[in-house]
Amino acid sequence: DVKVTQSSRYLVKRTGEKVFLECVQDMDHENMFWYRQDPGLGLRLIYFSYDVKMKEKGDIPEGYSVSREKKERFSLILESASTNQTSMYLCASSLASAGGGELFFGEGSRLTVL
Amino acid sequence: DAKTTQPNSMESNEEEPVHLPCNHSTISGTDYIHWYRQLPSQGPEYVIHGLTSNVNNRMASLAIAEDRKSSTLILHRATLRDAAVYYCIPADRGSTLGRLYFGRGTQLTVWP
Repeated sequence: DVKVTQSSRYLVKRTGEKVFLECVQDMDHENMFWYRQDPGLGLRLIYFSYDVKMKEKGDIPEGYSVSREKKERFSLILESASTNQTSMYLCASSLASAGGGELFFGEGSRLTVL
Repeated sequence: DAKTTQPNSMESNEEEPVHLPCNHSTISGTDYIHWYRQLPSQGPEYVIHGLTSNVNNRMASLAIAEDRKSSTLILHRATLRDAAVYYCIPADRGSTLGRLYFGRGTQLTVWP
């Protein structure tokens, strides 16, 4: 069974803390993505990566950075967490195929910043 | 990027067919049309995609208008498990990056 695994389902952090959200896929996919989802706003793309060590900004990259040192792992980093980063974070991966391969999502990480 | 318009919400009774519309009048000739759905407390999951012809799989059917300005996702017999938010998403056939823009989708309610 194909799988995208996010390290934590629920996290509570304090303002100013550094936060790492980890995502691992076991499908040898080239593309990996980080989205956040907020009520009324749908899913918004933060960053994506199409290869190891490659990254591209999505629509809302401010306040976030990412790391992809290995093909199967894509990390989202909040350098200094703020309350407006309280959200559901979703990781996804896909094969590099024409028209966009099927996206496989993890179960999500719900982050609360106090 | 092509914009899509979907109704905010729709309702259906269990075991009845459901037709979920999507308007994508600005779609380019090379865009696929993808549909995803998101069940409560889960990440989105792929449903179906197509380019010009109608498509069927075990989950649903996709009917694409001849002018490609709209499409309809068809659930042949709705079940309670089909209650979800459904997203219609154009995707550039020329790109392999897989970057998809999720709008707000249609919230489908299924009544027993």
